Amino acid sequence: IAGITQAPTSQILAAGRRMTLRCTQDMRHNAMYWYRQDLGLGLRLIHYSNTAGTTGKGEVPDGYSVSRANTDDFPLTLASAVPSQTSVYFCASSEAEHNEQFFGPGTRLTVL
Amino acid sequence: LAKTTQPISMDSYEGQEVNITCSHNNIATNDYITWYQQFPSQGPRFIIQGYKTKVTNEVASLFIPADRKSSTLSLPRVSLSDTAVYYCLVGDMNNFNKFYFGSGTKLNVKP
Repeated sequence: IAGITQAPTSQILAAGRRMTLRCTQDMRHNAMYWYRQDLGLGLRLIHYSNTAGTTGKGEVPDGYSVSRANTDDFPLTLASAVPSQTSVYFCASSEAEHNEQFFGPGTRLTVL
Repeated sequence: LAKTTQPISMDSYEGQEVNITCSHNNIATNDYITWYQQFPSQGPRFIIQGYKTKVTNEVASLFIPADRKSSTLSLPRVSLSDTAVYYCLVGDMNNFNKFYFGSGTKLNVKP
């Protein structure tokens, strides 16, 4: 049982490049989330999806887009990366909005 | 918006009970209170969730007073492996995007 997988594990990206962070869950959870965590700080919600086909904006959505074509996958895209998007990105899922969230291992992204 | 305030850090010794308090003065009627644990280089892990009074599971207890403006996570007999960051999260069931993790409390358990 994998739970939630994220890819890549880490990435160094030139500013202005497009990047998609992948997230897949095998728990058939309805809700999925993307967070970013900057050094020494807590997690901030970027985007969420409470069911396949729907998405919503979190606390810090600017510069990011998401899609939810099916239950299992929730990719996060940076259309044109900027250095301020250097962070660790965590994907999570839960059965419903207020239920326990299960987190992936994270993607460490560095934008130069 | 129900944001949270926690101590930045706490020290404890193995075998002690640790209580971490979180303030959430603007908590709304539909908000749940949830605590997560995070080790370095890992994603957070759910510990416990509650709405009011007391909740207990195999790893922790959560105490919520009647006014729900604060909550206390209680870890019985901590060990070195409990050294981690603990986040208090207040979630609004009706406004899905209003989950705030805050900065967390860094618990350092000493031998």
